[in-house]
Order: sequence, then C-alpha cells, then structure tokens
Amino acid sequence: GAVVSQHPSRVICKSGTSVKIECRSLDFQATTMFWYRQFPKQSLMLMATSNEGSKATYEQGVEKDKFLINHASLTLSTLTVTSAHPEDSSFYICSAHPQGVTDTQYFGPGTRLTVL
Amino acid sequence: QKEVEQNSGPLSVPEGAIASLNCTYSDRGSQSFFWYRQYSGKSPELIMFIYSNGDKEDGRFTAQLNKASQYVSLLIRDSQPSDSATYLCAVNGGGSYIPTFGRGTSLIVHP
Repeated sequence: GAVVSQHPSRVICKSGTSVKIECRSLDFQATTMFWYRQFPKQSLMLMATSNEGSKATYEQGVEKDKFLINHASLTLSTLTVTSAHPEDSSFYICSAHPQGVTDTQYFGPGTRLTVL
Repeated sequence: QKEVEQNSGPLSVPEGAIASLNCTYSDRGSQSFFWYRQYSGKSPELIMFIYSNGDKEDGRFTAQLNKASQYVSLLIRDSQPSDSATYLCAVNGGGSYIPTFGRGTSLIVHP
C-alpha cells in the first residue's frame, strides 16, 4: 500500500518551454501533497504544500508564478514549471500525506528535469 | 527556525557491523520522527517512524528516541552493502504537519 507515482520520470526540454509533472497517489487519498526539489548531493528542499481544492502554500523564495501547482483531486497534484531555464534542471519529487493517517508521507519516484 | 541536524558523513562500516546514525532536532514540541533511505538518483523511501521515547525495532532496523535530549537515532544491524545510501531524518510536530528534513548521512557498507 501507500504507492505514489510520478510522470514523467525523466524529461529533457528546451529553454523557455513549460513542463508539467503529475503526482498520483495510487491506493489512497491524499489530503496533502508536497513538492520538493533536490540538486545533486544536496538535501531535499520543500517548494510548496498543496491541499486538495485550495491554493498551494509556497516556501519562501519559491516563485509561485513559475512553479504552478494544482491539486484538483484527492489523488492528483500537478507541478508545472513555466518558461523553464537551465537553472531549473533538478530532481523534482512529490510526496503524499494519506487522509486520516498521522502525518506520515510517502514519496513518489521523482522526475529528473533537464533544461537545455 | 526549526532545525534538524545530521552528520553528513560518510559513515563507513564493514559488512556485518552495526551502523549507528544520529539526528538532533531543535524544536522541543516535535512529536513525530521519521527515517528515510535514499539511494543515489532515487527518491526517499520511508524506513521507520517513531513517536514515543525508547526503542522501536523492525527487522534489522532500530529507531531510538530521546525527547529529553532531543535526539533520534537509527541502528542498522548486520549491515549489508545494499544498505549503502543516504539516510534522512525528518521531524514533525510543534504545531506543524510539515516535516523538517535533515541534510542526510551518507552510509557506506564495505565488503
């Protein structure tokens, strides 16, 4: 149980394009989903917290107009990197907090984004 | 500012030995404590969680929590080369359900 999927697993795009990453909880409903970014050999950096049906809460320094988050249902959240640039190249990981379960979260497999 | 501190390592242990990973946290109101394992290029995987003072065992893994001293540790018995990874400590609580992650400790188990 507690499986979280992400799609795509890897994406390469040209500078200036937008990329959408999907995060799905496959066997549970997620009250809250988190989006993280991780650069090589660095720790996880929380970008934003999204709750189903409401606006995402962004961490300080994260541009909400650049990283659009939509949490339309209890099993799906999307992150769109708009007008991507090479410095946005990173490993993006989502995690989901099961509804009704004490604060445990489960991570998706991550999406490796490379912007040329 | 809630902080979770871990020694970045690497911690190198021989195969079959006990690996001991430590984590300290700053927020005395913290209530939930998690250990994740992250292989290179992969996302974190939940290993254990602990809420109460004392030890919690699951197979070769034992989590130890001491709220008075504000530390949580993870022991890995009979370490295997496949245990080589980065271990992340995460702490919740004190009025927030958003976890604070440590930077992780790199563990190397050599044959």
